[in-house]
Amino acid sequence: ETGVTQSPTHLIKTRGQQVTLRCSSQSGHNTVSWYQQALGQGPQFIFQYYREEENGRGNFPPRFSGLQFPNYSSELNVNALELDDSALYLCASSRNTNSYNEQFFGPGTRLTVL
Amino acid sequence: AQTVTQSQPEMSVQEAETVTLSCTYDTSENNYYLFWYKQPPSRQMILVIRQEAYKQQNATENRFSVNFQKAAKSFSLKISDSQLGDTAMYFCAFMTLGNNDMRFGAGTRLTVKP
Repeated sequence: ETGVTQSPTHLIKTRGQQVTLRCSSQSGHNTVSWYQQALGQGPQFIFQYYREEENGRGNFPPRFSGLQFPNYSSELNVNALELDDSALYLCASSRNTNSYNEQFFGPGTRLTVL
Repeated sequence: AQTVTQSQPEMSVQEAETVTLSCTYDTSENNYYLFWYKQPPSRQMILVIRQEAYKQQNATENRFSVNFQKAAKSFSLKISDSQLGDTAMYFCAFMTLGNNDMRFGAGTRLTVKP
């Protein structure tokens, strides 16, 4: 059983640029959630995707958007990058939309915005 | 607002001893789930233990157990017979039934000393 993978591992961008982060869900999982983890803080929920539709969103502006593909992999897109977007971005997959079932996390993508 | 508070930024324990990590949360909901997650230095977050609020019995997973006090909105994690591999950041998390917005605390950095 393949675990959750994320790419790239690290990324450096400048203010105003756009970035796309990718996540492959664990085999058999149809739900992907994205989190932002700033340095020294706990993860914050960005949004969740279920069967290619957004299924819940945290307190993040519209410049944070996402996609889910038929194979349940997912992308997180951030436009007009700001310095405060520097963080570790985690994705987590689960078997259904109810995240009280175990979420399996990926290793994260470290984004640095200069 | 639903918040999770971990008041111990850092803790240490000697190998083979017992340590308790504290967590309090604030909610007006009655049906919810509580979690402890472990994030080792390699960053991949894993679920340690889960508690359903409607269950009075405290959850136990091998060396890990919780003390769930619903009225006090407290959810502490006890690690018995601490091992070097327990060294990690530990996050307390909360989610209400039917909601996929998981709220995390700021974390406690636990160091197990040989």
